[in-house]
Amino acid sequence: EPEVTQTPSHQVTQMGQEVILRCVPISNHLYFYWYRQILGQKVEFLVSFYNNEISEKSEIFDDQFSVERPDGSNFTLKIRSTKLEDSAMYFCASSLQGGPRPQHFGDGTRLSIL
Amino acid sequence: AQKITQTQPGMFVQEKEAVTLDCTYDTSDPSYGLFWYKQPSSGEMIFLIYQGSYDQQNATEGRYSLNFQKARKSANLVISASQLGDSAMYFCAMREGQSAGGTSYGKLTFGQGTILTVHP
Repeated sequence: EPEVTQTPSHQVTQMGQEVILRCVPISNHLYFYWYRQILGQKVEFLVSFYNNEISEKSEIFDDQFSVERPDGSNFTLKIRSTKLEDSAMYFCASSLQGGPRPQHFGDGTRLSIL
Repeated sequence: AQKITQTQPGMFVQEKEAVTLDCTYDTSDPSYGLFWYKQPSSGEMIFLIYQGSYDQQNATEGRYSLNFQKARKSANLVISASQLGDSAMYFCAMREGQSAGGTSYGKLTFGQGTILTVHP
């Protein structure tokens, strides 16, 4: 069964550094998402991406964050000048359709900022 | 106001028994989907079951069923014949069909989660 893959599984970075989290969505999917889960808390929406542009973003997704789909397969989340509070699990998800249909999640990247 | 409410921070169940995890939601959108995800201690998000707002019958998927009561805006997950491997965090989530602008991109809104512990 096709799946969403995320790399790396764990990223440790010094505060102030830039990180890029990578995702390969399911190949025929059209809608892409990033979510964040701070340890012990609920999963929070960051951004959705469709037709090569951001379609919706949350208030968390400020100028520090950016997303890109540099080729036909990868979907990346870049965090510039990381802060301690960026430490979290970051999930990529994709779906074939928008609207009320299931999203498939990757296994997540655990980001630790020191 | 919370869009998804899970009122049970933790639940305990005996192996082989059934358990119900509660979820209530709030939306004015006539088109929406409700989802349950399982998150084991390893951290990944595993999709379990989906219910569409227009679905006439309650969703079932193996040992999982969704008790969908639209008028009460509840979408409880029922796990039958619990197994030790069912011990995990369970999240209820909603995906609304239409954003305010009339275009649907379908972000998921999650509840706080319920930690389920299955005892042998």
